Amino acid sequence: DTEVTQTPKHLVMGMTNKKSLKCEQHMGHRAMYWYKQKAKKPPELMFVYSYEKLSINESVPSRFSPECPNSSLLNLHLHALQPEDSALYLCASSQDFSSGQSYEQYFGPGTRLTVT
Amino acid sequence: AQSVTQLDSHVSVSEGTPVLLRCNYSSSYSPSLFWYVQHPNKGLQLLLKYTSAATLVKGINGFEAEFKKSETSFHLTKPSAHMSDAAEYFCVVRPFGGGGADGLTFGKGTHLIIQP
Repeated sequence: DTEVTQTPKHLVMGMTNKKSLKCEQHMGHRAMYWYKQKAKKPPELMFVYSYEKLSINESVPSRFSPECPNSSLLNLHLHALQPEDSALYLCASSQDFSSGQSYEQYFGPGTRLTVT
Repeated sequence: AQSVTQLDSHVSVSEGTPVLLRCNYSSSYSPSLFWYVQHPNKGLQLLLKYTSAATLVKGINGFEAEFKKSETSFHLTKPSAHMSDAAEYFCVVRPFGGGGADGLTFGKGTHLIIQP
């Protein structure tokens, strides 16, 4: 099974709301990623978790808060977002990168977020 | 540091004719290279990958790519286009054996249009 699942598929939230995006994989991968993708642009890396520890934060505003409760789950907590945060949020996973090997990343279908 | 340049933002071919999507890369290390495809409102699907084994890589759906170190290229080809190939294609590079802490570096994408 090479599936990464993401919920919800669509989310509309106001600027004062708090919401969470959820990502799950059961491939035994120990690295998980959040990307943000604006229309007609490539994905931009936001966060990387390796063995449930945050290893990369690409200078993402604090209104985005990631969490990795266990090796299969990755959450992205959202609070006080701005309309320009509207985008497709993609989750991905891979075996591991800390060993120096370069494993492919498997992507979920994404959550389409609209901030009003 | 690594970078990737997709030489065409749009490519239009007729159904049944060959497809060529061009990609050049720059990497401080021996790179891993990937092609991903993204259909409208979907996540990214891995088409194929190069990780220093055979230079001609075969992927899914009849796609293949050839790694040419002397030209720093990794062009994607398919002998005969199908309507279902219409999508956005991303060439992606990641340093191999370089710690891999940078995540994936995406090209800007090539929009493939298939004419009936």
